[in-house]
Amino acid sequence: QKEVEQDPGPLSVPEGAIVSLNCTYSNSAFQYFMWYRQYSRKGPELLMYTYSSGNKEDGRFTAQVDKSSKYISLFIRDSQPSDSATYLCASHKETSGSRLTFGEGTQLTVNP
Amino acid sequence: GAVVSQHPSWVICKSGTSVKIECRSLDFQATTMFWYRQFPKQSLMLMATSNEGSKATYEQGVEKDKFLINHASLTLSTLTVTSAHPEDSSFYICSARDMAEAFFGQGTRLTVV
Repeated sequence: QKEVEQDPGPLSVPEGAIVSLNCTYSNSAFQYFMWYRQYSRKGPELLMYTYSSGNKEDGRFTAQVDKSSKYISLFIRDSQPSDSATYLCASHKETSGSRLTFGEGTQLTVNP
Repeated sequence: GAVVSQHPSWVICKSGTSVKIECRSLDFQATTMFWYRQFPKQSLMLMATSNEGSKATYEQGVEKDKFLINHASLTLSTLTVTSAHPEDSSFYICSARDMAEAFFGQGTRLTVV
C-alpha cells in the first residue's frame, strides 16, 4: 500500500467550476501536508502548506486536513484555464530533513 | 516563499559523457536537499537525499556511482550523471527544505543522444 494515495485523473472541468482534489495517507507519523502545482516541464510550485487539522484558505484555494480520517483535500474556487496543471499532494514527518512522500498527482484541465 | 534555483533547465549530451546539474537555495540555508527524477505523466521519484558535509543517502535501486551527489555548502548541491546513456534521459528536479516547507527547483530536462 502506498503511503499517500491520490487519484491520477485526468479531471476535466468547465471554467468557473469548483474543483475538489483529494488524497489519503496511511502513515500516522505524517504531520505536515502540502499541495503542489506542476505545469508541464516545470518544477512543482508550493501552493498550500498545512500542519494541523482544519481548513486553510489562500485566495481561490482552500486546503483541508482531517487527521482522524487521514484525508487531505484541495478546493479550487472559480477555476480558470490557467489552473490547468498536475496537482500533487505531499506529506512528511516532523523530523527535520525528513523527505516528502508524494501522491501520484492529479492532472486537471479547466476548459474555457 | 523561498527560492530554489536549478541549472541548467535543459541539456543535451552525447552517450558516455557526464552532465552536472546544480541546485542552489537562494535565500535560505539548506542542510538537506533532495534529488528527484520524473518520467512523463508520473509523480516524482526520490533518488537521493543530499546532506551538507556528508555522503548522500541513495534510494534503493539508484546507482550511487552513476549519480554522484555533492553538497559542499549550505546553499549548493550538485548531481552529476556520469557516463550518461539514453535511458538516463529524464526530468531531474531538486528540492530544499526551509523549516518545514519544501521548495523545488525549476527542473532539468536531460536528453542523452
